[in-house]
Amino acid sequence: KNEVEQSPQNLTAQEGEFITINCSYSVGISALHWLQQHPGGGIVSLFMLSSGKKKHGRLIATINIQEKHSSLHITASHPRDSAVYICAVRKDTGNQFYFGTGTSLTVIP
Amino acid sequence: DAGVIQSPRHEVTEMGQEVTLRCKPISGHNSLFWYRQTMMRGLELLIYFNNNVPIDDSGMPEDRFSAKMPNASFSTLKIQPSEPRDSAVYFCASSLARIELIDTQYFGPGTRLTVL
Repeated sequence: KNEVEQSPQNLTAQEGEFITINCSYSVGISALHWLQQHPGGGIVSLFMLSSGKKKHGRLIATINIQEKHSSLHITASHPRDSAVYICAVRKDTGNQFYFGTGTSLTVIP
Repeated sequence: DAGVIQSPRHEVTEMGQEVTLRCKPISGHNSLFWYRQTMMRGLELLIYFNNNVPIDDSGMPEDRFSAKMPNASFSTLKIQPSEPRDSAVYFCASSLARIELIDTQYFGPGTRLTVL
């Protein structure tokens, strides 16, 4: 069983739609990261969360520590949001990182 | 700042050869991470350093892999001998975090390694 599960695996949306990507994890964590990997392969760190909610432009990330769940929301989606979004957690005991398998998002004009 | 710099960007080598990947973290960052990404296994953390000291190398697949950070501005990941299953994209990332803290990681462009 993977310590980090993401859903959906693949997502296609029309430009302008509101998008939600989910991440569930099974271990105690000190932090959760949302990463964006562009079609060219480059990786960008979008958010690092340990509690609550963060917002950056059209992106919003939330985390519920009790439920071991995080969501990444994209408002007014745009074709340039097309990428793979990866959830990663850092375990609260020891130093291990665990990664989800990613959600591939395609936003159609 | 130039961001995290990795070299080479692409490497093609034959099985059995030694491969050395290089990383220059962002100046002032004190944590450095080496990742590997494959289609089969996704993104995996191999090892990370804090203040040039290896903190967790539990992700290093086997003894053929070794990583060093001789100073705050340079790290290497070496594979000796290389095998075809080592073919992957290797990313280096750095952050400002001290070991007990957490901070955003900044990724390099990656090195695409192909072992024939």
